[in-house]
Amino acid sequence: GESVGLHLPTLSVQEGDNSIINCAYSNSASDYFIWYKQESGKGPQFIIDIRSNMDKRQGQRVTVLLNKTVKHLSLQIAATQPGDSAVYFCAELSLLKLTFGQGTILTVHP
Amino acid sequence: NAGVTQTPKFQVLKTGQSMTLQCAQDMNHNSMYWYRQDPGMGLRLIYYSASEGTTDKGEVPNGYNVSRLNKREFSLRLESAAPSQTSVYFCASSEWASGISTDTQYFGPGTRLTVL
Repeated sequence: GESVGLHLPTLSVQEGDNSIINCAYSNSASDYFIWYKQESGKGPQFIIDIRSNMDKRQGQRVTVLLNKTVKHLSLQIAATQPGDSAVYFCAELSLLKLTFGQGTILTVHP
Repeated sequence: NAGVTQTPKFQVLKTGQSMTLQCAQDMNHNSMYWYRQDPGMGLRLIYYSASEGTTDKGEVPNGYNVSRLNKREFSLRLESAAPSQTSVYFCASSEWASGISTDTQYFGPGTRLTVL
């Protein structure tokens, strides 16, 4: 079946570094992708999204890149802060349903 | 604006017991969703309600029922709980689930359920 998955389950960075979290997807028909952040004990929180007709979208300190040729999605966090420590999920929207990847644990060391 | 609220936050059940998880949103959203999250996995959709009066199965609906009580509330019921239903349950809502719109889903804080 279709799936969305992450290459790296954990990522450790130093405060101030840039972080890159990757995601592979398999449903070429998906037209919308979302990155969520989930802190311990909380529900997922929307970070940024991108449509399939775009290659790049920027937010505040975050950038999402979409490579449809290789079905790859990435989340770049600039100047990573300790408050960015969380689990990050990519998700794809097809029709009415979100399909989530497994998640990457990002740990930011002061 | 409380956003999406869920009750209870924690629950322990014995196998075979039943319970209802409650979810409410105050954002006047049309669509609501129930997900479960298991360790090491992303969220999986159990049921959703695209609009008031409609409900549909998601990826893992077996063992669950839902009720869209009104526009604000969407409940999830376990009729006969099983240990395999031990999980964290998240409710979410979005303005509209057209499948086309870039429609953000907002999540509640979750209910941690343990079935012994």
